Amino acid sequence: EVQLAESGGDLVQPGGSLRLSCAASGFTFQNYWMHWVRQVPGKGLVWVSSVRGDGRDANYAVSVRGRFTISRDNAKNTLFLQMNSLTAEDTAIYYCAREADSFDIWGQGTMVTVSS
Amino acid sequence: AGLTQPPSVSKGLGQTATLTCTGNSDTVGDQGAAWLQQHQGHPPKVLSYRNGNRPSGISQRFSASRSGTTASLTITELQPEDEADYYCSAYDRSIPGWVIGGGTKLTVL
Repeated sequence: EVQLAESGGDLVQPGGSLRLSCAASGFTFQNYWMHWVRQVPGKGLVWVSSVRGDGRDANYAVSVRGRFTISRDNAKNTLFLQMNSLTAEDTAIYYCAREADSFDIWGQGTMVTVSS
Repeated sequence: AGLTQPPSVSKGLGQTATLTCTGNSDTVGDQGAAWLQQHQGHPPKVLSYRNGNRPSGISQRFSASRSGTTASLTITELQPEDEADYYCSAYDRSIPGWVIGGGTKLTVL
């Protein structure tokens, strides 16, 4: 079964850092672009970042550029999102998603709360 | 730049709803838009790919189309379970990256 499972969400203080992980299973991970999408509870989905299958190309939303870094470990079928200089505006559920002409597979999400 | 969706649409049981998503030549006009459905408390699910095809298991009641820089999702024979939030998504070559519309809340009366 094709699955994605996020982890690493937590309560963190403003200015702090957090690293999210997304474990993939059931498909050839290295063949796909992978994405992070976030959603403030009760609000809309917002694309955050994406990384190519070989890890050599990445894109970021303007709101996180320079603060977040996406990466992947294809040997471990795992996607990461390193988040630095966090602010309250980064509080959201973070989903990882596989790209196959769309975001075709989603994880259940992990909650990140930035608050003092 | 972004994708614009009406915040809400209400239709009656058994009726047809058409949801719209307006982009530009760098987004919808370039490679089309995909459609996602999200029920409260659950992750999104893809209903239609950018090429208009449906994933296996998605009802034929859902159909996607595009005209210029506007994408549409038509849902026929509305059922109570169709009540959800619907998002369009597209690649934006000007960023580069993806953009997701603000979402449309569909209410089935």
